[in-house]
Amino acid sequence: RKEVEQDPGPFNVPEGATVAFNCTYSNSASQSFFWYRQDCRKEPKLLMSVYSSGNEDGRFTAQLNRASQYISLLIRDSKLSDSATYLCVVRPGGFKTIFGAGTRLFVKA
Amino acid sequence: GAVVSQHPSWVICKSGTSVKIECRSLDFQATTMFWYRQFPKQSLMLMATSNEGSKATYEQGVEKDKFLINHASLTLSTLTVTSAHPEDSSFYICSARGTSGASTDTQYFGPGTRLTVL
Repeated sequence: RKEVEQDPGPFNVPEGATVAFNCTYSNSASQSFFWYRQDCRKEPKLLMSVYSSGNEDGRFTAQLNRASQYISLLIRDSKLSDSATYLCVVRPGGFKTIFGAGTRLFVKA
Repeated sequence: GAVVSQHPSWVICKSGTSVKIECRSLDFQATTMFWYRQFPKQSLMLMATSNEGSKATYEQGVEKDKFLINHASLTLSTLTVTSAHPEDSSFYICSARGTSGASTDTQYFGPGTRLTVL
């Protein structure tokens, strides 16, 4: 089983739609969780950290379910500019960071 | 936010040559730098973790004699792909973790280096 698993998609949604991604992780001792965004041929960029209580940043909401070992990202009112690959990132402890393979999102006009 | 640069941004070389990639943290000191490799449509795979002044820790399956990592200062790490072959063609990305303040918990990524070996 992979340490971090994501549905690769692609998710094709119209502008204005709400879309959700899930990510599961295998190490129950994992301590930190993040969502990164990666545009084609570019480096990943931090979108948001994921906190135990859930957190929101504008149109983006992240949630963590430790019991089921998954994190989620919800994007409301999708924009064309949201088209990208979204990477689920888990830090089991210390400095090591594990990336999921990413979920591709295409937002259409 | 913190800035990490990489040089070169892309390189094309002949099989058998060695290629050096530089990773610099421009406005913060990075105790730890990470080197990743990403093949098309695949996830970032951690190759090695380097701490300033000490030997790098390589992930399983990564040949340390082929991918030489040097982290001689708090702002510079280099990755040298020795005797490169076409299968080494990939997108190499470094990231840096800071020594103090907000930069300690976040990895800042360089823009990546696209290596093509002919």
